[in-house]
Amino acid sequence: SQKIEQNSEALNIQEGKTATLTCNYTNYSPAYLQWYRQDPGRGPVFLLLIRENEKEKRKERLKVTFDTTLKQSLFHITASQPADSATYLCALGDTGGFKTIFGAGTRLFVKA
Amino acid sequence: EADIYQTPRYLVIGTGKKITLECSQTMGHDKMYWYQQDPGMELHLIHYSYGVNSTEKGDLSSESTVSRIRTEHFPLTLESARPSHTSQYLCASRAHSNYGYTFGSGTRLTVV
Repeated sequence: SQKIEQNSEALNIQEGKTATLTCNYTNYSPAYLQWYRQDPGRGPVFLLLIRENEKEKRKERLKVTFDTTLKQSLFHITASQPADSATYLCALGDTGGFKTIFGAGTRLFVKA
Repeated sequence: EADIYQTPRYLVIGTGKKITLECSQTMGHDKMYWYQQDPGMELHLIHYSYGVNSTEKGDLSSESTVSRIRTEHFPLTLESARPSHTSQYLCASRAHSNYGYTFGSGTRLTVV
């Protein structure tokens, strides 16, 4: 079955360091991959979308890479801040957009 | 500055009651979705709509129904609530199938 794996263990890093989160997937050929931020008790907030023919995308302090051979995406937050503490979700979508699947997310804690 | 609104934010209700969760968006998006999310878990698609008078079941229909009479409004109804329906319900919309989702803040439902 189609599956997304994100590290279930929380990631703890020091302020100013780069946080790197991993999203691996199986049994899926996505047309695009998305990353979302979710704060406790709130809905996810869309951050970035990267398409299957793109290797890397950047937005301010965020960088996403997408390797369809490894079936993996890496999500980087540079110069991390305590305000970046949240759960980050990975989602995969197909060409028609009929079937988007979400990962369970990785919790990030940034310590001051 | 949410453009998609869900009410109520929290609801505690007795078993067997009929409830409707409201969702409205002001962005003019044709595509709207209902997801269910338990703490620390993936989002699961319950229902979706690609426009007025269009509704489809997702992976988890969970004995609920939806309607789409107006573009901006996509309510979810549980005919007879059960404790297994206790969860967070998230409404989302997007302009096109390969765009990011805009989520509401969610409704936290507890069935006692």
